[in-house]
Amino acid sequence: GAVVSQHPSWVICKSGTSVKIECRSLDFQATTMFWYRQFPKQSLMLMATSNEGSKATYEQGVEKDKFLINHASLTLSTLTVTSAHPEDSSFYICSARALASTGEGLSSGNTIYFGEGSWLTVV
Amino acid sequence: AQTVTQSQPEMSVQEAETVTLSCTYDTSESDYYLFWYKQPPSRQMILVIRQEAYKQQNATENRFSVNFQKAAKSFSLKISDSQLGDAAMYFCAYRISGSRLTFGEGTQLTVNP
Repeated sequence: GAVVSQHPSWVICKSGTSVKIECRSLDFQATTMFWYRQFPKQSLMLMATSNEGSKATYEQGVEKDKFLINHASLTLSTLTVTSAHPEDSSFYICSARALASTGEGLSSGNTIYFGEGSWLTVV
Repeated sequence: AQTVTQSQPEMSVQEAETVTLSCTYDTSESDYYLFWYKQPPSRQMILVIRQEAYKQQNATENRFSVNFQKAAKSFSLKISDSQLGDAAMYFCAYRISGSRLTFGEGTQLTVNP
């Protein structure tokens, strides 16, 4: 089935530094990837929609200069948290939209697949 | 704007019993998709079941089935023969084609042995 790989799974960084999280679609092309943030016991909050070859579309209230998103290829999107602060500590998860059916299980064209998520701790 | 509401923050069920998780949504669209995702402690989002709005037949996947009531904008998930591994946070989600997922607040399901 379709796989989305997210790396790193967890990262600890010092306050003021930047950290990059990668989201890769391993066996399909994804022109659109989504980045979410999730606080404990809460739902997923969409941060931005990443489109290959163009600028990301950010949700209201999300600082585009702080959360830099790059989608340079059909299989890779990156989220860079710049000048991280302790309040940026959270679980970040990406998802990718497959354009065609992967031919298995619940996959059926235009299905969205999630990465494993990344824990960010800023100390 | 589309909204998804899960009115049960927590639910519990005895192993081998059946439990139903509720979900309602609001939309002005006529063609859309509905999903139930499972998020275990590992935080991996796992697609449990999906329903196309144009299909009248309720989707089923093994022990998981839905009760899709389009007019009422209701989309509940029934888990039969509950297993310990079913314990997780369950999210109901909505999407129109080509657009993003809109999630409900989630329901934490506990399965008691």
